[in-house]
Amino acid sequence: DAKTTQPNSMESNEEEPVHLPCNHSTISGTDYIHWYRQLPSQGPEYVIHGLTSNVNNRMASLAIAEDRKSSTLILHRATLRDAAVYYCILRENNAGNMLTFGGGTRLMVKP
Amino acid sequence: DAMVIQNPRYQVTQFGKPVTLSCSQTLNHNVMYWYQQKSSQAPKLLFHYYDKDFNNEADTPDNFQSRRPNTSFCFLDIRSPGLGDAAMYLCATSKDRGANSPLHFGNGTRLTVT
Repeated sequence: DAKTTQPNSMESNEEEPVHLPCNHSTISGTDYIHWYRQLPSQGPEYVIHGLTSNVNNRMASLAIAEDRKSSTLILHRATLRDAAVYYCILRENNAGNMLTFGGGTRLMVKP
Repeated sequence: DAMVIQNPRYQVTQFGKPVTLSCSQTLNHNVMYWYQQKSSQAPKLLFHYYDKDFNNEADTPDNFQSRRPNTSFCFLDIRSPGLGDAAMYLCATSKDRGANSPLHFGNGTRLTVT
């Protein structure tokens, strides 16, 4: 399985944008890039996913490098409720490939 | 709102005493998953159902079983819980198994083994 590398932790100030990086240098052509987050004492929550093009939704934006070997999750204005562990996951588009979590980045948001 | 519901949020069982955790969904999704998450670790997939077809992960212990009597409900049975099985158990659903189909998670059941 293709692996991802994320910083263990990051800090951000409230109301400022946050850029969470993810490296996936062994990504294959059929791998989708998924982001989930897990708030304290809750189950993981889907944030966004993409294949090649940048993606935007109400929660975040996903910027994918042209060679697809890295991506960045962008939270446009961090709030205290965004403090969570953010997981970047590659998921191959075949029925046998499940969602496999790695270490993730713990995001701390300071008021 | 459509969602994935896990009951109870907290479950205490005794060493060796069988326990069942339950999950229900109102999303009418075809796939249901069970993940185990130990303290300070990432969630780890135990198994999943695609409709009625059960799919076990290779390293899931035999102590863990699952049942899916209908589309809406899925159960996790731990036949003889050990102290090492204390964890958060997460249920999730997805419309299908393709990578374009996000997972929807419940808030988990935290299992304590005494």
